[in-house]
Amino acid sequence: GDSVTQMEGPVTLSEEAFLTINCTYTATGYPSLFWYVQYPGEGLQLLLKATKADDKGSNKGFEATYRKETTSFHLEKGSVQVSDSAVYFCALSEGASKIIFGSGTRLSIRP
Amino acid sequence: DAGVTQSPTHLIKTRGQQVTLRCSPISGHKSVSWYQQVLGQGPQFIFQYYEKEERGRGNFPDRFSARQFPNYSSELNVNALLLGDSALYLCASRKGQGASNEKLFFGSGTQLSVL
Repeated sequence: GDSVTQMEGPVTLSEEAFLTINCTYTATGYPSLFWYVQYPGEGLQLLLKATKADDKGSNKGFEATYRKETTSFHLEKGSVQVSDSAVYFCALSEGASKIIFGSGTRLSIRP
Repeated sequence: DAGVTQSPTHLIKTRGQQVTLRCSPISGHKSVSWYQQVLGQGPQFIFQYYEKEERGRGNFPDRFSARQFPNYSSELNVNALLLGDSALYLCASRKGQGASNEKLFFGSGTQLSVL
């Protein structure tokens, strides 16, 4: 079945550092791809998405490009802030009803 | 407007008991999904309901069941609880059945501990 593999954490960076969290997927069809974020004490929320190959999703300075040839959807940010500390989940849609999540990457940013 | 609300926020049960978790979707949303998030892992899909009908089911045993009411709220029931059912149970809602461009909104979850 479809699956998502993402970089294991935790990832610890200093403020203003460049961030990459790797994500690759396996899918039989053409899924939409997502990054969700879970801030401490809060619910899961959509960070960005891309619905077809070569689409770039972006939000709050984060970006990810849907790469069909490498089956990847890596999350990047040019300059992280302490407020970006959270758990990040890469995910894909399987059919109309199901979202498959990766195992999550915990990100901690040092001031 | 209120977001997705779940109750209770925390619950402690013993093995073999039954539990019911509740979810109220965002006003106007007709689809509710349930996910199980075990500590340190990503959420796993359990069910989706749309217009009171089951539209998707994940790889969970028959001990797990759900329903959706006419006001689109939903309940998740788990019978014969096992220690491994301890997890954060997330409810999510969206307007329609789930087109790829439709945003899914999650509640804060119910933390279930089975002793």
